Amino acid sequence: AQSVAQPEDQVNVAEGNPLTVKCTYSVSGNPYLFWYVQYPNRGLQFLLKYITGDNLVKGSYGFEAEFNKSQTSFHLKKPSALVSDSALYFCAVRGYSSASKIIFGSGTRLSIRP
Amino acid sequence: EAQVTQNPRYLITVTGKKLTVTCSQNMNHEYMSWYRQDPGLGLRQIYYSMNVEATDKGDVPEGYKVSRKEKRNFPLILESPSPNQTSLYFCASSLFGTGHTGELFFGEGSRLTVL
Repeated sequence: AQSVAQPEDQVNVAEGNPLTVKCTYSVSGNPYLFWYVQYPNRGLQFLLKYITGDNLVKGSYGFEAEFNKSQTSFHLKKPSALVSDSALYFCAVRGYSSASKIIFGSGTRLSIRP
Repeated sequence: EAQVTQNPRYLITVTGKKLTVTCSQNMNHEYMSWYRQDPGLGLRQIYYSMNVEATDKGDVPEGYKVSRKEKRNFPLILESPSPNQTSLYFCASSLFGTGHTGELFFGEGSRLTVL
């Protein structure tokens, strides 16, 4: 069965510091992996995805994520945090099969202090 | 502009009064889905549809109905709402199936309160 874990409910970072939001997954075969961001009173927005190829994926707003197959992880990173990055972040996974469902993690609230 | 539109955005209703939350997308996506978001539980899938006239249950379908008569529309129906259906609801759509990676496009959400 597919599953996604985001082990941290909240991550607090000072502005200008690097940030990491963690995600681990379980899926049969090769995964499609996604990160979404939710700003207050808004729907989720797609940030980036890993399909195949380079393990470091770059996305919107300066975010990137590193796929690590051996650790089954897909952590979201940014070299220098902005206060405007404060939001709720969701990791998601689906398998390659066309019938595979998208499974979301429980979300991590990122708070960037000035 | 490519978008998923949900209505209403906010609704307060009473137990047992039937309601429908509409969802429409203008991207010609085959796949549409409804989720509910509750604190600490993340996003849980209610129902999904792979194409017109093809709907299936997600993880939490009890108390909900859907229909997919047209490709662009996927309404969520609560026949007899109860307080435990108080939640934030999201509609989403994507291209899906072989050759598509399936990233989802979300509506802005519908906050439902059942008294």
